[in-house]
Amino acid sequence: AQKVTQAQTEISVVEKEDVTLDCVYETRDTTYYLFWYKQPPSGELVFLIRRNSFDEQNEISGRYSWNFQKSTSSFNFTITASQVVDSAVYFCALSEAGWTNAGKSTFGDGTTLTVKP
Amino acid sequence: DAGVIQSPRHEVTEMGQEVTLRCKPISGHNSLFWYRQTMMRGLELLIYFNNNVPIDDSGMPEDRFSAKMPNASFSTLKIQPSEPRDSAVYFCASSLVRVDTDTQYFGPGTRLTVL
Repeated sequence: AQKVTQAQTEISVVEKEDVTLDCVYETRDTTYYLFWYKQPPSGELVFLIRRNSFDEQNEISGRYSWNFQKSTSSFNFTITASQVVDSAVYFCALSEAGWTNAGKSTFGDGTTLTVKP
Repeated sequence: DAGVIQSPRHEVTEMGQEVTLRCKPISGHNSLFWYRQTMMRGLELLIYFNNNVPIDDSGMPEDRFSAKMPNASFSTLKIQPSEPRDSAVYFCASSLVRVDTDTQYFGPGTRLTVL
């Protein structure tokens, strides 16, 4: 069975601080996909990144970066120089490859990030 | 391109009434998912379809909930009769499941309030 754990329920930082959101997953599959989604106060769920299990290269997109480590089953998300607009709930998700599950994902409980001015 | 479209965006109804939520997935996507989000239970997968066929409805809370996907561009989630504990935000998501991609894209959600 798949499991995604986001141990940090809430994080509060001051603007311009760096912040890392942790995500630890469990799966028996060797091929799988990991995702991060953002849910701002407006409520929509916005896709941020997708990573497959064969690609452990870290990714950077502007102030966002992701660190994928298979050895520790972690897929952590760092926001550099945080801004008030980064305040949101962030979800990590795991999808096992294969046609039978039709892309079904398991979501973590989310981390609520508050960035104060 | 249009994203996932959900209607209505907000629904307020009284206990016992029938509620129908609607979803139009992204054109060309072959999988569709219905989720419910509450403060207490977080994001729960209710049911998902692949090529219009329900694959897993184990997340549907009880017989009062039903979902259909009559064609590739439309799905409904029905609650009959509704109860106050059904109050939540209901999200629809779609994805194109291939060997190399299966990212789910979410609609804006329907906020349901059952009085």
